Amino acid sequence: QQQVKQSPQSLIVQKGGISIINCAYENTAFDYFPWYQQFPGKGPALLIAIRPDVSEKKEGRFTISFNKSAKQFSLHIMDSQPGDSATYFCAADSGGSNYKLTFGKGTLLTVNP
Amino acid sequence: DTGVSQNPRHKITKRGQNVTFRCDPISEHNRLYWYRQTLGQGPEFLTYFQNEAQLEKSRLLSDRFSAERPKGSFSTLEIQRTEQGDSAMYLCASSFPGAANTEAFFGQGTRLTVV
Repeated sequence: QQQVKQSPQSLIVQKGGISIINCAYENTAFDYFPWYQQFPGKGPALLIAIRPDVSEKKEGRFTISFNKSAKQFSLHIMDSQPGDSATYFCAADSGGSNYKLTFGKGTLLTVNP
Repeated sequence: DTGVSQNPRHKITKRGQNVTFRCDPISEHNRLYWYRQTLGQGPEFLTYFQNEAQLEKSRLLSDRFSAERPKGSFSTLEIQRTEQGDSAMYLCASSFPGAANTEAFFGQGTRLTVV
């Protein structure tokens, strides 16, 4: 059972455009939603994270939008740059004593110059 | 380098051999996690330590897999009698004391190829 569904599988954006990646979750106990960026041959790097008490969080060009009632959250990358080309993973966990992240399958983002 | 360190970065082994990977977490991080990532997939949780105690194991962690974290510092992941299906990237992550959630920082991983 896939608890975090991510789309699209791949995305091509022109330099300066907006990249949008969407995730949906099933487990209502999830209370922490991070996004990770992964370059080839590297481990995932924490990019930005949100908790369900806010609907949006912005850090630089990266914004998470969160819709608790729809159980959906998304990553927006403004002014996308070729250096943003990577695989992006959404994830979720439920904290407490359950410290394990459930990841989506990833989105391969390509930003063309 | 103060990040999570994993060794070796790459390992090629013959089917049936045993392999061991090492993870050195960020200093003072008391939580340590192992994940497995196959091509085109997100990381999948394997196991979790808080200090030296192994608190949770995924059903993905068959009896051929064993993880330890002696003295609550570095950790090792051993796979016995490797199978081709074990080929994957094995990722280690750590997080700091008091974190309410899994604010995990990942290492660069060990890529295992079983031939």
